[in-house]
Amino acid sequence: AQSVTQLGSHVSVSEGALVLLRCNYSSSVPPYLFWYVQYPNQGLQLLLKYTSAATLVKGINGFEAEFKKSETSFHLTKPSAHMSDAAEYFCAVSSSNEKLTFGTGTRLTIIP
Amino acid sequence: DTEVTQTPKHLVMGMTNKKSLKCEQHMGHRAMYWYKQKAKKPPELMFVYSYEKLSINESVPSRFSPECPNSSLLNLHLHALQPEDSALYLCASSPNPARGFEEQYFGPGTRLTVT
Repeated sequence: AQSVTQLGSHVSVSEGALVLLRCNYSSSVPPYLFWYVQYPNQGLQLLLKYTSAATLVKGINGFEAEFKKSETSFHLTKPSAHMSDAAEYFCAVSSSNEKLTFGTGTRLTIIP
Repeated sequence: DTEVTQTPKHLVMGMTNKKSLKCEQHMGHRAMYWYKQKAKKPPELMFVYSYEKLSINESVPSRFSPECPNSSLLNLHLHALQPEDSALYLCASSPNPARGFEEQYFGPGTRLTVT
């Protein structure tokens, strides 16, 4: 069985500050890990994914995530928050099958 | 064309109605998915189609009936729904079935309200 845990259902940061959204995974096999973003009343958009190549993964909109096997973590970061980053962020894990298991999500609020 | 389209955008239906949701992609993807998303919750997988055949049904009530007429089109037929079925219904596709490393591409969703 595989799962992800997102710590913090709601994170607030000031504009220009570091964004850190936490995700820990549990998987009996090497996982594939994803971060998706969802803006209000929209579908999900892929930010980045880890598929066992480089442990530091760069995504769209200046986001990146580092896969740390020893910590079973895949935290999402962005050096400088922008107002347009306000959204819901989902960490997700899959294995070799077609199922994508999502975390409970983190709502990111940007303070002007 | 790298998008998944869904129609309608919004749907209001009574509990005795029959309606259908439509999803389309022209990326040549051979896996298609239906998800249900309640407010402030993550998407929940409902069905997976692999090469136009139903491969996963997550114990979804029979009032939801999926259909995949061809490799580009996915429908979700709705009948005798309950108010608790009100949610955002998301369609997604991915290039190949059973390739966990491939991302899923999501449509914008259909906001369903059951009255």
